[in-house]
Amino acid sequence: GAGVSQSPSNKVTEKGKDVELRCDPISGHTALYWYRQSLGQGLEFLIYFQGNSAPDKSGLPSDRFSAERTGGSVSTLTIQRTQQEDSAVYLCASSFWLGAGIVGLRETQYFGPGTRLLVL
Amino acid sequence: AQKVTQAQTEISVVEKEDVTLDCVYETRDTTYYLFWYKQPPSGELVFLIRRNSFDEQNEISGRYSWNFQKSTSSFNFTITASQVVDSAVYFCALSEERGTYKYIFGTGTRLKVLA
Repeated sequence: GAGVSQSPSNKVTEKGKDVELRCDPISGHTALYWYRQSLGQGLEFLIYFQGNSAPDKSGLPSDRFSAERTGGSVSTLTIQRTQQEDSAVYLCASSFWLGAGIVGLRETQYFGPGTRLLVL
Repeated sequence: AQKVTQAQTEISVVEKEDVTLDCVYETRDTTYYLFWYKQPPSGELVFLIRRNSFDEQNEISGRYSWNFQKSTSSFNFTITASQVVDSAVYFCALSEERGTYKYIFGTGTRLKVLA
């Protein structure tokens, strides 16, 4: 079946503008994750969704960043008033959800191709 | 604190050589999960393997093998008889049972296999 898809694949914007990045998870995957990969850096966690709720938003770097998920499927990551330091590849991943408290059943995350964001 | 260290920033080998990528992790959790991903030049992260902390069996898949050692908190990845197509950035990641479901990634090792 289809993998995780993300759009746009590339986005160039001017400092101060808002951008929206979209993620379409693998069908049937109820968990969805956003990560950011900056040049020369590893991947840093941003936010995690279980269904439409976000139990962990701890990685969002500032209040300019927000994300939502509707219908338990597509998610949108919004960056307001973009800054040059927001330039990075934004990666989305999805996984099945087997429920909390079941030891040994942490599901594997499958990643999309990413959106490369450049803020001029 | 949870942490993943991939001390090798970049490795270059000649085709057909064996190469080992190191991964050392830190966690206070007794149950955790370790992963390796490959990121080729196209940019998409490709899942390679996962290992549960309570399963210390090493694994071999074709030219790839993984050595999990709880005593040294390491989960190393070896490619035997490397090929040019193995050139990529390889990431090791950790997910803790008691944490949220996020992965903690290392900074990656760039492998260049020269023909």
